[in-house]
Order: sequence, then C-alpha cells, then structure tokens
Amino acid sequence: DAMVIQNPRYQVTQFGKPVTLSCSQTLNHNVMYWYQQKSSQAPKLLFHYYDKDFNNEADTPDNFQSRRPNTSFCFLDIRSPGLGDAAMYLCATSRDIGGNQPQHFGDGTRLSIL
Amino acid sequence: DAKTTQPPSMDCAEGRAANLPCNHSTISGNEYVYWYRQIHSQGPQYIIHGLKNNETNEMASLIITEDRKSSTLILPHATLRDTAVYYCIVRVGHNTDKLIFGTGTRLQVFP
Repeated sequence: DAMVIQNPRYQVTQFGKPVTLSCSQTLNHNVMYWYQQKSSQAPKLLFHYYDKDFNNEADTPDNFQSRRPNTSFCFLDIRSPGLGDAAMYLCATSRDIGGNQPQHFGDGTRLSIL
Repeated sequence: DAKTTQPPSMDCAEGRAANLPCNHSTISGNEYVYWYRQIHSQGPQYIIHGLKNNETNEMASLIITEDRKSSTLILPHATLRDTAVYYCIVRVGHNTDKLIFGTGTRLQVFP
C-alpha cells in the first residue's frame, strides 16, 4: 500500500564517505521533492524535480546532489557528509506543479554520521 | 510566502474536539492555507487545505476567518493516535508547490 517508499529507514555512514539515499513512488507523480529535517526542527526543502527538470533551493549546500533516472525513482547523494548533515531526509511527491496538489511524504531515512 | 504563527504546544482529552489555531496576518489574496501533521518517526501527512471557504474532509475541518488572517484546524473527536506536530503552511498555489514549514504545534492527546 505504501506510495512513497524510502530505503533504508536508517543509514549510517562515516564522516566524508559518500552516501546515497533512495526514494521510489507508485503514484506516477510528476514532481519529487527532498527535504532535510534536523532534530526538533521542521522539514526544509533541499530541491525538487518537475519531471526531469531539476530545481535547487538557493541555500542548499553544493554537497547535496540529486538524480532522477525515471518517473518512479529519485536519489539524494551527499558527496562528503559532515557531522552537521545528520538528519532525517524526507522524500515527497505531488501530481503536478500548481493546482494545489498536496504532497505525499515517505517515512524518511534517518542518516547518522560517525 | 506569508509567515504563520502557531502555539508551540496544546493538550486535548481523548474524545474531545481539538482546535488548533494559526495566525497568518500577512496572507495574500491568492495564498492557500494548508495543514499537515507529523506523527513521531513518520513523514508529514497532508490533512486539509483551503482558500477562503471553510472546508471539511474525513480527517478534519478548516475554519478560515473572513479577513483570512487566521484559521483553526478542528479535529472533532481526538484520539491518542492524533498526537503529533501540526503544521499550518501558507502557500501560493499556482506558481510553486514549495512548502515552507513553520515550527508547528505539538498536540498531546491524553486518555
């Protein structure tokens, strides 16, 4: 029944070692988003894809990249994780841009940095 | 996007109505009010949204004041499973789907 699936739920990596988080969706939505949520804070948008069109937020560090090889999958790559990148990473989808489409979230991947 | 102000926390007895307020005094005419909630260790869940008319769905009701400067989310019969952080978000609907989360209200439902 899960519509936005994030794997794994928990990920541990070493300081400076590249890590990739994955998200898949069964909704066939055009838009996919990545949010970062640090402990006791609200989610913060990093970037989104509208189909194959990538849109980066102005304050997203260069260390964060994303790939969307097809409609169903989207990846978040952290090239050199620092201790400050420890957080919950949330993937979301919406049917389209505009038209007041609600976003559907996965349950997130909690990333720890050793 | 307009900013929102919510109380940091609220309590509600199980079975009673939970009324969660939100101030958005700088809201523009074309900005919608959205409500999401986040249960511990889960992703945010869409609840409801509206522009100026009151809205109701199977989860909740949304009451927006006539001047649109504030709104109230109503959970008519709160259960323990409604314990969560509730986010009120004001969003321009036609140009972007960006959600800018505020600090939210932590609702604790007690037996």
